[in-house]
Amino acid sequence: EAGVAQSPRYKIIEKRQSVAFWCNPISGHATLYWYQQILGQGPKLLIQFQNNGVVDDSQLPKDRFSAERLKGVDSTLKIQPAKLEDSAVYLCASSLASGSGGEQFFGPGTRLTVL
Amino acid sequence: AQSVTQLGSHVSVSEGALVLLRCNYSSSVPPYLFWYVQYPNQGLQLLLKYTSAATLVKGINGFEAEFKKSETSFHLTKPSAHMSDAAEYFCAVSSGGGADGLTFGKGTHLIIQP
Repeated sequence: EAGVAQSPRYKIIEKRQSVAFWCNPISGHATLYWYQQILGQGPKLLIQFQNNGVVDDSQLPKDRFSAERLKGVDSTLKIQPAKLEDSAVYLCASSLASGSGGEQFFGPGTRLTVL
Repeated sequence: AQSVTQLGSHVSVSEGALVLLRCNYSSSVPPYLFWYVQYPNQGLQLLLKYTSAATLVKGINGFEAEFKKSETSFHLTKPSAHMSDAAEYFCAVSSGGGADGLTFGKGTHLIIQP
């Protein structure tokens, strides 16, 4: 079966510009997650969706980050305006359902560099 | 709130030697615990997980981990290291409730000496 797809794989922008990342989860997976992984650190959860509803966005910097999951399938994460400290790898993950310790399957990530 | 501490940002072992990567967690509820591996320029791959069944969990590539509630630990081991095991390893915890995003440790870079 196809894995979690993400695009683009790499993005370089200037600070104060905007950027968007796209994620297509594994078919049939109801739960979708976005994580931010800064160099040298473990991934940090930004937002979790169950179908097209938000379950947890407590760590999402809502003044500049936004995410949506229209129709409960694909998802887009946007940053506007970007700051230098947003340079990181943005990982998308999906799982069949939440709440039972099920495996989260990760995509390859989008590496963002903010200059 | 949950947290994960991985002792040692870098661990170096000789090929054929025992691998031991340490993970301690804190959680206010019975946790689900995971070990993920990340190879250079690749996504995270699940090695194994603990979900309240057997305390000794076997995973892929010969790895295993033991859940010790009294020590709040979930250390990862492999009896004999192989060159292909060189990678970044992350321990993670989740609550298992509806909001079950993972809380990761900072990772341990495993170096295999020939």
